[in-house]
Order: sequence, then structure tokens, then C-alpha cells
Amino acid sequence: AQSVTQLDSHVSVSEGTPVLLRCNYSSSYSPSLFWYVQHPNKGLQLLLKYTSAATLVKGINGFEAEFKKSETSFHLTKPSAHMSDAAEYFCVVSEGFQKLVFGTGTRLLVSP
Amino acid sequence: DAGVIQSPRHEVTEMGQEVTLRCKPISGHDYLFWYRQTMMRGLELLIYFNNNVPIDDSGMPEDRFSAKMPNASFSTLKIQPSEPRDSAVYFCASSPGGRTEQFFGPGTRLTVL
Repeated sequence: AQSVTQLDSHVSVSEGTPVLLRCNYSSSYSPSLFWYVQHPNKGLQLLLKYTSAATLVKGINGFEAEFKKSETSFHLTKPSAHMSDAAEYFCVVSEGFQKLVFGTGTRLLVSP
Repeated sequence: DAGVIQSPRHEVTEMGQEVTLRCKPISGHDYLFWYRQTMMRGLELLIYFNNNVPIDDSGMPEDRFSAKMPNASFSTLKIQPSEPRDSAVYFCASSPGGRTEQFFGPGTRLTVL
């Protein structure tokens, strides 16, 4: 079965500094991987997805993630945090064609 | 284009009452998913449909929960009778065939007193 592990439950950064949210996956075959963001009291929004094309995936709002098969990682990064980035971020792996398996989430806190 | 629409956005009810949550998927999407989100268990897939047919309901917690999709543009999730432990945010999501990403609605926050 596929699974993802988000290594940090909370990450705190200052506005303007880089963001790194870590995710490791477990999959028996070439996975599809996603990052979703959930702002307070909102639904989940797709940030980016990896589906075996380029290993560096660019998403919305300046986020990107790099698929590293040797490390089974799919970390999410952003060069410079903005206050509006404060939210919960979910790393997700596709199990089979339609079922998604969600990580436990990382709460990003951005201070002025 | 309108995204996934859910109603109501908030529901407060008393234990034992019937609760019906509604979802309108994105037009043209032939997969529809119901999720539940709680602090303790995170996001759980309850059931999903393909072309209005339930495919996997293994996540439905018990017989008090039922879901229907009478047509391509409407689905309901019903809880009867409701219990306080059903309090959660319920999300509906849809997906077009041939793609793995899902598009989520804003959720329904259910509180059972």
C-alpha cells in the first residue's frame, strides 16, 4: 500500500525566508504525488502534482517540489515566504488510479 | 467555471437527528468522492463514485452513513441517526476520468450536540 510521511507537524518561518516542508513516500511503483494546501476554514487546493514527467515540479504561488526517487522524497519549497502562505499543507500519494492517500499535514506558521 | 459546490456550509444538529449533506461536482467530472476530516483521524475517504455508481464504500464508518448519486450533478451523504462523534468537516471532491488529481469543495462543518 502507498503511504506518505510528513516529517514535521509544524514549521515556523519568518516572512521573506525560505520554506521547506518535508515529505517521504512509500510506493511499490512509480507514484503520482501531490501537494495540497488548506487555508483556515477552507477546502483543499491543489498546489502541484508529479506524474513521472520532470522531477522538478512548479506549482502555484511560487511553490515547487522535487521528486527524488533515491531518497523517496517529495519536499515542498518556496524561496521566500509570504504571510498569506500560512496554512496546512498535505503531501498526498495516489493509490491506484483514483484513490488518494493523505499525509497528516504540516502547519506552516509565518511571522512578520 | 464553478468549482465543487457543497451545502450547507455549516450544520448544527442534535444527537439522533438525520443529517443530509449535498454536493454538486464540477461539470464533466465523472468521479465523486466524500471525505471526512477530524483532528484525530485527519482526512479519511468515505466513499467514491464513478459515473454515478458507488465503487468503494469501505471507508463508510457504519450503517448509519449512506451516500447516493442519483445523477451526474448531485450527490448526498446522509447520517441517520447522527451522533456527537460524527462531528467533523465533510468534503466532497470530484475528478475527471483519466486524471488523478481531485478538486475539493469548501466543506460542510457538522456539529452534533
